[in-house]
Amino acid sequence: DTAVSQTPKYLVTQMGNDKSIKCEQNLGHDTMYWYKQDSKKFLKIMFSYNNKELIINETVPNRFSPKSPDKAHLNLHINSLELGDSAVYFCASSQTSGSSYNEQFFGPGTRLTVL
Amino acid sequence: AQSVTQLDSQVPVFEEAPVELRCNYSSSVSVYLFWYVQYPNQGLQLLLKYLSGSTLVKGINGFEAEFNKSQTSFHLRKPSVHISDTAEYFCAVSEPTVTGGFKTIFGAGTRLFVKA
Repeated sequence: DTAVSQTPKYLVTQMGNDKSIKCEQNLGHDTMYWYKQDSKKFLKIMFSYNNKELIINETVPNRFSPKSPDKAHLNLHINSLELGDSAVYFCASSQTSGSSYNEQFFGPGTRLTVL
Repeated sequence: AQSVTQLDSQVPVFEEAPVELRCNYSSSVSVYLFWYVQYPNQGLQLLLKYLSGSTLVKGINGFEAEFNKSQTSFHLRKPSVHISDTAEYFCAVSEPTVTGGFKTIFGAGTRLFVKA
């Protein structure tokens, strides 16, 4: 069984379009994350949700809007896509409550290409 | 402020040779330390972690890392690498926040390239 899954795996779109990436985890974790990995492999946290509540919101443009309908899902919607949004986006999850540390489990990534 | 520095962006090494990937961190509080591995076109997976106790921790695939508090380092080592170890390796630091969660910072990554 896939622990953290993302759809789609690849996404190619034109500048100015709006797109969404979906993430689901079946690990029963209470915290989920979105990361952006650029072409140099640098991994940067974008958002984190704990039990559907936003707890980390790094300096990300307002065009990016995360949505967590329940604690097993965290979707990422991007408006007015720009060339610089091209990257691989990773979803991750971890168990925070009752844990003394934070081991994260990552999805396979979504490669977004903006033309 | 919390930060993670991986001193080498790329490490080429011959098969069966030993390797060390270096990681230094800065933090004002006690932290938890991790190494993750990313194989081509895949997500990250945990290699090993240091939480407390023995400063030498062993992980999967024959890797180990040593926590050195005085030098704020957490270097990753393997005595004999295989071609299949070719991947990107990330050091990460996690510290608790006042809200009860954790903040995790990843290093920039080290590309390990094992040559035949």
